[in-house]
Amino acid sequence: EAQVTQNPRYLITVTGKKLTVTCSQNMNHEYMSWYRQDPGLGLRQIYYSMNVEVTDKGDVPEGYKVSRKEKRNFPLILESPSPNQTSLYFCASSLLGDSFPNEKLFFGSGTQLSVL
Amino acid sequence: KQEVTQIPAALSVPEGENLVLNCSFTDSAIYNLQWFRQDPGKGLTSLLLIQSSQREQTSGRLNASLDKSSGRSTLYIAASQPGDSATYLCAVSPSGSRLTFGEGTQLTVNP
Repeated sequence: EAQVTQNPRYLITVTGKKLTVTCSQNMNHEYMSWYRQDPGLGLRQIYYSMNVEVTDKGDVPEGYKVSRKEKRNFPLILESPSPNQTSLYFCASSLLGDSFPNEKLFFGSGTQLSVL
Repeated sequence: KQEVTQIPAALSVPEGENLVLNCSFTDSAIYNLQWFRQDPGKGLTSLLLIQSSQREQTSGRLNASLDKSSGRSTLYIAASQPGDSATYLCAVSPSGSRLTFGEGTQLTVNP
């Protein structure tokens, strides 16, 4: 089944304790992206990647890191989480063919992060 | 800076009713517009994608239109069903790699 898999689904942590949220897709998609969703602010893009070893900042990159060492994986790293990073996080992917960006975006089920 | 607005924020209708969800955006320089559905505890599912050169797209009971010049899109849902209850989000792509989302319309279809 074609899917984007995020882990964990729920995470509670404390301020300053490094964490990684994993994202993996099985559709051989070149493009991958991370978003956070907050009430009143909607979905905002954190980072995106157009291919292996190619990453770029979205609208709200501060406090986050990403890496794209393999095509299928795009982990989101919070080196020193703070309470304002409490949010619902989504990973997404799509093809990067001739019709990009007119390709549908596939989303993972989300990771609810709470930073105490 | 591109801004996307969705009105209304919430909508409750009886089963069987036809309904329209609205999306407006401030900058008409877009590649495409997508409508998504979000169910509680789940990710977003892309429903329809309208390229900037297109006027509308249809999938089953869903029809989405795009008027770039006025910065508006509508999602029409025919013969609504309780299973259509979800939050509907629109997003525009101002560049190939970015998406700007609206905050969504929470739809409830009552049996």
